[in-house]
Amino acid sequence: NAGVTQTPKFQVLKTGQSMTLQCAQDMNHNSMYWYRQDPGMGLRLIYYSASEGTTDKGEVPNGYNVSRLNKREFSLRLESAAPSQTSVYFCASSQMPDSNEQFFGPGTRLTVL
Amino acid sequence: DAKTTQPTSMDCAEGRAANLPCNHSTISGNEYVYWYRQIHSQGPQYIIHGLKNNETNEMASLIITEDRKSSTLILPHATLRDTAVYYCIVRPLNSGGYQKVTFGTGTKLQVIP
Repeated sequence: NAGVTQTPKFQVLKTGQSMTLQCAQDMNHNSMYWYRQDPGMGLRLIYYSASEGTTDKGEVPNGYNVSRLNKREFSLRLESAAPSQTSVYFCASSQMPDSNEQFFGPGTRLTVL
Repeated sequence: DAKTTQPTSMDCAEGRAANLPCNHSTISGNEYVYWYRQIHSQGPQYIIHGLKNNETNEMASLIITEDRKSSTLILPHATLRDTAVYYCIVRPLNSGGYQKVTFGTGTKLQVIP
């Protein structure tokens, strides 16, 4: 039981490049989330998926797109990376959308030059 | 959400109990107290939550005062692996919609050999 897994662990991009961050969970959870964590800012929600087939914007969705590929997988895409998107990205899942017990992945450290 | 106040940092000797306080004087009747921790370079990890009764699980104990204005997370026998930032959060259990987990600055616990 791996929990929440994320790939890659580290990534360096140049401004304007695109990439997709992958997330998968094996807990049969309905809801999945993407957060970014910046120093002094805490965790901020980018997008979430309350259930398979649905996605909604969080606090800071600009510059990102998401895909809930199936119940297990939720990907985050940066179409044209900007230095302001340098951050640590965490994927999380929970059994239900109103559950406070979220399970987090190990994070992806992204640097945009 | 009710605001929480935690000490910035604490030290604890290995093998001793670590007692982490949290003040939440504006907590509402339907709000639970949740604790998460974040070990360096890892994603946040759920620890425990409670409403008004003391709670215990395999990781920790949560003591909530009778007036619910403060709580203490207790790690009964701290190990070096418990060195982390500990976050106290108050949120309604079921507030509808997604549950954005809002982290404050937390308490950085250093377990000393």
